Parts: sequence; structure tokens; C-alpha cells
Amino acid sequence: SQKIEQNSEALNIQEGKTATLTCNYTNYSPAYLQWYRQDPGRGPVFLLLIRENEKEKRKERLKVTFDTTLKQSLFHITASQPADSATYLCAPFGGGYNKLIFGAGTRLAVHP
Amino acid sequence: DAGVIQSPRHEVTEMGQEVTLRCKPISGHNSLFWYRQTMMRGLELLIYFNNNVPIDDSGMPEDRFSAKMPNASFSTLKIQPSEPRDSAVYFCASSLATGAIDTQYFGPGTRLTVL
Repeated sequence: SQKIEQNSEALNIQEGKTATLTCNYTNYSPAYLQWYRQDPGRGPVFLLLIRENEKEKRKERLKVTFDTTLKQSLFHITASQPADSATYLCAPFGGGYNKLIFGAGTRLAVHP
Repeated sequence: DAGVIQSPRHEVTEMGQEVTLRCKPISGHNSLFWYRQTMMRGLELLIYFNNNVPIDDSGMPEDRFSAKMPNASFSTLKIQPSEPRDSAVYFCASSLATGAIDTQYFGPGTRLTVL
């Protein structure tokens, strides 16, 4: 069955640095991948969608890559700020599964 | 502009009781999703509806769970009888298009505790 892996360990970085979060998937080939942000006590909020034929997508300080050969997506936040501290979830779609399947998420903590 | 509305926000009940969670999707959205989130299993899709019709309920854990969408502006998720292992945060989400790939807008969730 399909498997989605995100770093279970929290990522701690200094303000102003670039945060890089990883999403790996196995046993299937999704056609799309979404990234969501979740703050404590709240529902996830959509950030970006990338298609399999797009290598990279950008939105303000956010950048997402999608490498179908490595079966991996990277999520970057440049010039990180304490307000970026949250849990980030990746959610591949397609490849035989007509629904979003969420990874467990990676908690990011940006320190002043 | 109101987002997805869920009620109650918190529910504490005793094992064996019936629990009903409610959701009002964003007006004009055609798809509605029910998720469950726990530390152990993460965010799992339970069921989703397109135009009020259930499309995929393969995530519903067992017969104790049921979901309905009687009209475009209301859905319920019912657990009867409830068990302690049902304790989790239940999210409702809606999307504009009739496809699970579309951007999903999540409600604030209902935190359910079954004693």
C-alpha cells in the first residue's frame, strides 16, 4: 500500500534562515501534491499545489519542488519568521487514489 | 465570509453514548469531506460527498460510524455507540469543485473525548 513519510522530528531553525521540509512517498505515483499548514487547535490551511509535470512552484516566500524520480517533494520557506512556526502536512493525490492522503506532518519552530 | 462551521467544538461523552457532529460547508461548495486526526494515525479521510452524494466511504472505520448530507448546507457524522478509541479531533472540509484534488477548506474541528 502507499506510504507517505515526513520528518517526524521537529525542525528548529533560526529566524531569517531557509527551512526545508521533506515529503517522501512510496508504492505509488501521485499526479499532484498539496501542502497544508496546521496551527495548534486549528484545521489545516492550504498553501500550494504542484503537478507532476511541474518541477517547482513558488508563492511569495514559499517554494515547492516535486521530483517524480526520487518520489519526493521539498517544501522551502525562505527568510523564515517566528510566525511560520506550525506543522506542515504534505498530501499527495492520484496514482490510483482519488483522495488526498496526508502525511503525519513536520513541526517547524522558528526561533528569534 | 464565513468558513466551514463545525459544532460542537468540544464533546465529552461516555462510552456507549451516541455522538453527532455537525458541519456547515462554505456556501456554493460542492464537495464535503470528513476527517479524523489522532497522534497515532494522523489525518485520515473518513468519507466524502459530491453534490450531497457519498462518493467514497472506505475510510469509515466500522458500522458504528455513519454520515449524511441531507442538503448542500449541512452534514452530520454520527457515532453509535461511541468507544474510547473514537477519541480524536474530527474535521469537516469543503471544496468548490466536485473532485478531491481541489483546494480543501477545513473547519476548526470537533475535539471528541469518549470516557
